[in-house]
Amino acid sequence: RKEVEQDPGPFNVPEGATVAFNCTYSNSASQSFFWYRQDCRKEPKLLMSVYSSGNEDGRFTAQLNRASQYISLLIRDSKLSDSATYLCASYNAGNNRKLIWGLGTSLAVNP
Amino acid sequence: NAGVTQTPKFRVLKTGQSMTLLCAQDMNHEYMYWYRQDPGMGLRLIHYSVGEGTTAKGEVPDGYNVSRLKKQNFLLGLESAAPSQTSVYFCASRTGQETQYFGPGTRLLVL
Repeated sequence: RKEVEQDPGPFNVPEGATVAFNCTYSNSASQSFFWYRQDCRKEPKLLMSVYSSGNEDGRFTAQLNRASQYISLLIRDSKLSDSATYLCASYNAGNNRKLIWGLGTSLAVNP
Repeated sequence: NAGVTQTPKFRVLKTGQSMTLLCAQDMNHEYMYWYRQDPGMGLRLIHYSVGEGTTAKGEVPDGYNVSRLKKQNFLLGLESAAPSQTSVYFCASRTGQETQYFGPGTRLLVL
């Protein structure tokens, strides 16, 4: 089992919909978490960091559930431009300062 | 402020040839990372560096070497390229915070 797991999707949603992805992690010592967005053939770009219970930035909300060891990403009022792959990563300072990456969840927002 | 840059953007090699990929960052970051990304495999860490003059092996180091002679540069070398090394290579850097910033990637095709 991978340390960070994501549903690969694809998630196909209509424009304006609300969509949520989950990311589960197995290492209870993980201290912080990250959602990155990756467009096709481009580099990953940071979308949101999660250090405690959650974080919100406009239409995007991330929630951390330490008891069940998952983080979620909620996208409200989906735009066509939200179509991308969303990568989840966890950080544990005891892991030589490396991020542990999930394989990503693919989102397609349709007109 | 260019962030993280990578050269070249694209390269075709024949089996057995060697090459060096250059990563440069102008953010004075201590930590730098080399990843490869393949379909269905996600981001896999090849080598990383926690400071000038230091390097360490990641998840998939075989067939690659690295050097960090200057803080701003992190070089990835392929001594004898193999078709299995066909991939997209991303460099990333970070400060003391965990967030990693990625370069635009190098697409390598080994024939």
